[in-house]
Amino acid sequence: EDQVTQSPEALRLQEGESSSLNCSYTVSGLRGLFWYRQDPGKGPEFLFTLYSAGEEKEKERLKATLTKKESFLHITAPKPEDSATYLCAVQPQGAQKLVFGQGTRLTINP
Amino acid sequence: DAGVIQSPRHEVTEMGQEVTLRCKPISGHNSLFWYRQTMMRGLELLIYFNNNVPIDDSGMPEDRFSAKMPNASFSTLKIQPSEPRDSAVYFCASSTRGLGVQLFPYNEQFFGPGTRLTVL
Repeated sequence: EDQVTQSPEALRLQEGESSSLNCSYTVSGLRGLFWYRQDPGKGPEFLFTLYSAGEEKEKERLKATLTKKESFLHITAPKPEDSATYLCAVQPQGAQKLVFGQGTRLTINP
Repeated sequence: DAGVIQSPRHEVTEMGQEVTLRCKPISGHNSLFWYRQTMMRGLELLIYFNNNVPIDDSGMPEDRFSAKMPNASFSTLKIQPSEPRDSAVYFCASSTRGLGVQLFPYNEQFFGPGTRLTVL
């Protein structure tokens, strides 16, 4: 069964304190791995797609990386506006659907 | 572009009542997805459509749930009769899909703002 596990469940950081969020997955062949950001009361907002091990994508203070078993979302010098829940999802081979993890709730204190 | 539009944004109903959620996908997108999000189970796919045709409804919890897509710009998710355990946020998402047999593999999904359903 395709499965995505995110850790930690929640993370509190001070403004400027860099850290990483983890997404571990088991899937019968990976088409793509997706990162989304979700603010309270809103739908998930697309951030990145990663296709193969070794790939990296960057956007402002965020960098996503991918290995054969997991992905990391690195956040460098975060600001309070980066506070949100970050969701990871995988797209299995031959399928169009996404399987989501439970998310990491990130809080950045000023 | 207006993005994915969902209505209503909030729905409060009583157990046993029929509930209809509505979605308008992004113009030009030919795939549409219905998800449900709860604290316990996270974000779960219920059903998705390609070119208005239901492809995978294995996530629909039971026969009380049904979804339709009569045209490329409108879809509904209906619950009849509703139960308190159906309380959740329901999201609609849309994306593009390649033509022909070959799936376009890396198509990101764009989500609507969701409908928060409360069944008393």
